[in-house]
Amino acid sequence: AQTVTQSQPEMSVQEAETVTLSCTYDTSESNYYLFWYKQPPSRQMILVIRQEAYKQQNATENRFSVNFQKAAKSFSLKISDSQLGDTAMYFCAFSTQGGGSQGNLIFGKGTKLSVKP
Amino acid sequence: NAGVMQNPRHLVRRRGQEARLRCSPMKGHSHVYWYRQLPEEGLKFMVYLQKENIIDESGMPKERFSAEFPKEGPSILRIQQVVRGDSAAYFCASSPRWDPRGELFFGEGSRLTVL
Repeated sequence: AQTVTQSQPEMSVQEAETVTLSCTYDTSESNYYLFWYKQPPSRQMILVIRQEAYKQQNATENRFSVNFQKAAKSFSLKISDSQLGDTAMYFCAFSTQGGGSQGNLIFGKGTKLSVKP
Repeated sequence: NAGVMQNPRHLVRRRGQEARLRCSPMKGHSHVYWYRQLPEEGLKFMVYLQKENIIDESGMPKERFSAEFPKEGPSILRIQQVVRGDSAAYFCASSPRWDPRGELFFGEGSRLTVL
């Protein structure tokens, strides 16, 4: 079975500090894609960052970066210089190119991040 | 440029009634996906549709649930004879094409409460 595990239900960080959210996953596919989505209190999910499994270089988007450890099936998200607007639920997800899984993003249960002033 | 529009945002139904949730994808997007989020859970895939076609419904419960995406108009997720366990947030997402690397654009969700 393909699964995503986020072991931290809730986290908090002081404004301007750095926080890392954990994610592990399990799949037998060799070609897959990993994502972090953010769900602010308004509830509209938006993509934060993505990583292609065949790329060794970790993805970076401004203050957001990932630590992708393929052998360990780990995909953590690091948020630098945290801002109050980063307060949200963060979901780790992956998709594969395998047959029968079109459109099927597998999500973790999420980590609720609170950024404190 | 309007994003993915879902309505109603909140829907209350009594057990045994029908619920209809609507989703209008982003302009230019012909692929629609429905996900369900139970309390304290992540989103679970339900169904993937292209105009007039169901591409993957592997996440849909076998009974009472159906989805369509007609040539004209929004995509509809229909739940017949609702039960309390159907209470959840239902999210629609869209994309311009199928691409496992691609970003899905989500609506704000429809929260169904079954009394």
